[in-house]
Amino acid sequence: QVQLVQSGAEVKEPGASVKVSCKASGYTFISRHISWVRQATGQGLQWLGWMDPESGNTGYAQKVRGRVTMTRDISTGTAYMELNSLRSEDTAVYFCARGPRYWGQGTLVTVSS
Amino acid sequence: DIHMTQSPTSLSAYVGDRVTISCRASQDISTYLAWFQQKSGKAPKPLIYAASSLESGVPSRFSGDGSGTDFTLTISSLQPEDFATYYCQQYDGYPYTFGQGTKLEIK
Repeated sequence: QVQLVQSGAEVKEPGASVKVSCKASGYTFISRHISWVRQATGQGLQWLGWMDPESGNTGYAQKVRGRVTMTRDISTGTAYMELNSLRSEDTAVYFCARGPRYWGQGTLVTVSS
Repeated sequence: DIHMTQSPTSLSAYVGDRVTISCRASQDISTYLAWFQQKSGKAPKPLIYAASSLESGVPSRFSGDGSGTDFTLTISSLQPEDFATYYCQQYDGYPYTFGQGTKLEIK
């Protein structure tokens, strides 16, 4: 069965970077795009971007463009989302997803001094 | 970007009630529409994909309808475990966008 397993919670200081991983299993990793979504406490779902694992092509939401990089390691079937120059408003749970139907469990990123 | 508008943003209902949540897209998205249920602190749980296809394991009291720009999620007889927040998402084209959510509360 399709599974997406994310890395654990992170605490970062403002200005730092965070890299969240999403390990895929149960399907051919390069056959489906991976998206990233985040949700701040009490807020809605915000789509951050997508990556084609086969080509490495990406597309990012305007709100995080310039600070976010999505990459992958085909050998391990793992997707990564790195966010730089962290601010307090980046505190959120970050999810990876394959299409609308398969989601990771979420990774809490807390930005605090 | 395609804008998704959900209504209502909050809803109070009794166990056993039939409820309908609406989602409108700012342009034609065919049937590239999904519905999710979310309980606090958890990942969104997919309920419906392709506007009307029920995910495996989701109770049949949930149903989806619509195409083009107007969509609905209906719960035929509310159960206590259905009180949660519901989101729609279009996946016709990037950026995939979500509705703002509908919080369903017990009356």
